Amino acid sequence: DTAVSQTPKYLVTQMGNDKSIKCEQNLGHDTMYWYKQDSKKFLKIMFSYNNKELIINETVPNRFSPKSPDKAHLNLHINSLELGDSAVYFCASSPPTGDWDHTEAFFGQGTRLTVV
Amino acid sequence: GDSVTQMEGPVTLSEEAFLTINCTYTATGYPSLFWYVQYPGEGLQLLLKATKADDKGSNKGFEATYRKETTSFHLEKGSVQVSDSAVYFCALRDDKIIFGKGTRLHILP
Repeated sequence: DTAVSQTPKYLVTQMGNDKSIKCEQNLGHDTMYWYKQDSKKFLKIMFSYNNKELIINETVPNRFSPKSPDKAHLNLHINSLELGDSAVYFCASSPPTGDWDHTEAFFGQGTRLTVV
Repeated sequence: GDSVTQMEGPVTLSEEAFLTINCTYTATGYPSLFWYVQYPGEGLQLLLKATKADDKGSNKGFEATYRKETTSFHLEKGSVQVSDSAVYFCALRDDKIIFGKGTRLHILP
């Protein structure tokens, strides 16, 4: 069973389109994240949700809108896609901050987004 | 704010060489520290972790010790293999998980 799964794995689309990436975790974690990894492998946090509530929004353009229908799902919707949005997007989940024995995040396999 | 600094790569070693990848951090609280590994075309996998000062994390021959006095969490392995070729990320968790820029490791047979 995949702990954190995201779909699709690859996404090629034209500039100006709107697309969504879905993420689901079956670990029972309260906290979920979206990260963006650029071509130099640099990982930057975009959003963090705890129990469906947004807790971190790292100056991401308004074109990016996360949605958490329940604590097992965190989807990422991107409007008006631009060339610079091309990257690999990773979803992750972790136990809440107070669980000191289990603080690590578990990552999905990534979605490679290419905007042409 | 919190930050993680790790040595820039790429690092190229011969098989069976000793590996050290340096990592230092800045944090206002007492973060947990991690090393993650990313193999080509895959997501990030937790390699090891330490949750408090002087803890040593270890896995697959890799080790790192949480040094609060030097705010460091250097990754070491005594004898690397070709299969260790990957990108290694040092990370901390305080209120969020922050990653270093990654170090690409190439092991030559």
